[in-house]
Amino acid sequence: ELKVEQNPLFLSMQEGKNYTIYCNYSTTSDRLYWYRQDPGKSLESLFVLLSNGAVKQEGRLMASLDTKARLSTLHITAAVHDLSATYFCAVDRGTSGSRLTFGEGTQLTVNP
Amino acid sequence: DAGVIQSPRHEVTEMGQEVTLRCKPISGHNSLFWYRQTMMRGLELLIYFNNNVPIDDSGMPEDRFSAKMPNASFSTLKIQPSEPRDSAVYFCASKRTSGGASGELFFGEGSRLTVL
Repeated sequence: ELKVEQNPLFLSMQEGKNYTIYCNYSTTSDRLYWYRQDPGKSLESLFVLLSNGAVKQEGRLMASLDTKARLSTLHITAAVHDLSATYFCAVDRGTSGSRLTFGEGTQLTVNP
Repeated sequence: DAGVIQSPRHEVTEMGQEVTLRCKPISGHNSLFWYRQTMMRGLELLIYFNNNVPIDDSGMPEDRFSAKMPNASFSTLKIQPSEPRDSAVYFCASKRTSGGASGELFFGEGSRLTVL
């Protein structure tokens, strides 16, 4: 059974600081996704990582994938309050019609 | 393009009543997923369909829950009878799995269910 673990689960940081969220998974996969969820809202797709070494950046967020280590990171640069949300990683075995397995989510709070 | 459309957005009902949640996936997507989200249990996959066929319903909590996908553009999740512990946000999501698709999952806005 595929297991996806995120670390940390709760993160409180100050504006302007940098931090990294980690996503580990238990079985081979080369497809990993990051989502953002604001309180009371739906899940919004942030990044799609489809190969080993893939790196994607959008604004102050950068995601990377190391399939050999079964690890993805979401790096936050110079955090701002608007980044406060819960971030989920999800892993797909990549077979046709397969399901995504989600991590528990990392609740990020950026304080002024 | 319209995203995944769910209805109702909010439902308040009394214990024992039947609840039906509806979902219209994104046109061209051939996989559809029902998730439940609660504070205690996080995001749980209930069931998913591929080309309208249920593939994995192991996440459906009890026989009180049933889901159907009669065609490529419509799915329902039914709870009968409902219980207070069913209170949650139910998300429908869809993705395209053919033609070199990325496998990215697109979520609806969710249906917030409260069972009194």
